[in-house]
Amino acid sequence: DSGVTQTPKHLITATGQRVTLRCSPRSGDLSVYWYQQSLDQGLQFLIQYYNGEERAKGNILERFSAQQFPDLHSELNLSSLELGDSALYFCASSVASQERLYFGPGTRLLVL
Amino acid sequence: AQSVTQLDSQVPVFEEAPVELRCNYSSSVSVYLFWYVQYPNQGLQLLLKYLSGSTLVKGINGFEAEFNKSQTSFHLRKPSVHISDTAEYFCAVSDTIWSQGNLIFGKGTKLSVKP
Repeated sequence: DSGVTQTPKHLITATGQRVTLRCSPRSGDLSVYWYQQSLDQGLQFLIQYYNGEERAKGNILERFSAQQFPDLHSELNLSSLELGDSALYFCASSVASQERLYFGPGTRLLVL
Repeated sequence: AQSVTQLDSQVPVFEEAPVELRCNYSSSVSVYLFWYVQYPNQGLQLLLKYLSGSTLVKGINGFEAEFNKSQTSFHLRKPSVHISDTAEYFCAVSDTIWSQGNLIFGKGTKLSVKP
């Protein structure tokens, strides 16, 4: 158990819908990262937050957005969902940007 | 731009045999290299990382990797595997030591250890 929690574990929705994925980092970790793992694209870094502020952006679509709240939990919002958004979404946390990552168990999203 | 190539998508091996999982990277700047492991239905765990110093890096569970700058490789090795090593292994690279989370991952290698 890494100490990073993600909810829900599974999510099934339809195209065009919007969903919110939630992540609670390890106690004391200030950095939160979001990754997408799909069969065709593999593991891709989406975005990083540090203590509430966006720190780095990767291959995140404009339909996707994230934020980190004052209690340090983070949410990833996915809108206008397409079939290709079906993937495993991981959250990871670290004490600081230069420290190792701890990954959560992931949220499996299926868009029908 | 950085990229990571894991040359084998699947590696079957018998228990107690040695294994090498290959990883090559391309980068025009300094690189920091990582191996992560993903057990079935779990998130990723850091196995080991190379930031600087000795090119031979030892990680958890008896794994080690060697950074070879001239060959732009960071192959993962274990002298004797166990059934419990069955998992998917990901090589990753970052161009900054200041953010070990902004990683470019390879496609992964599925290691299957048979009795």
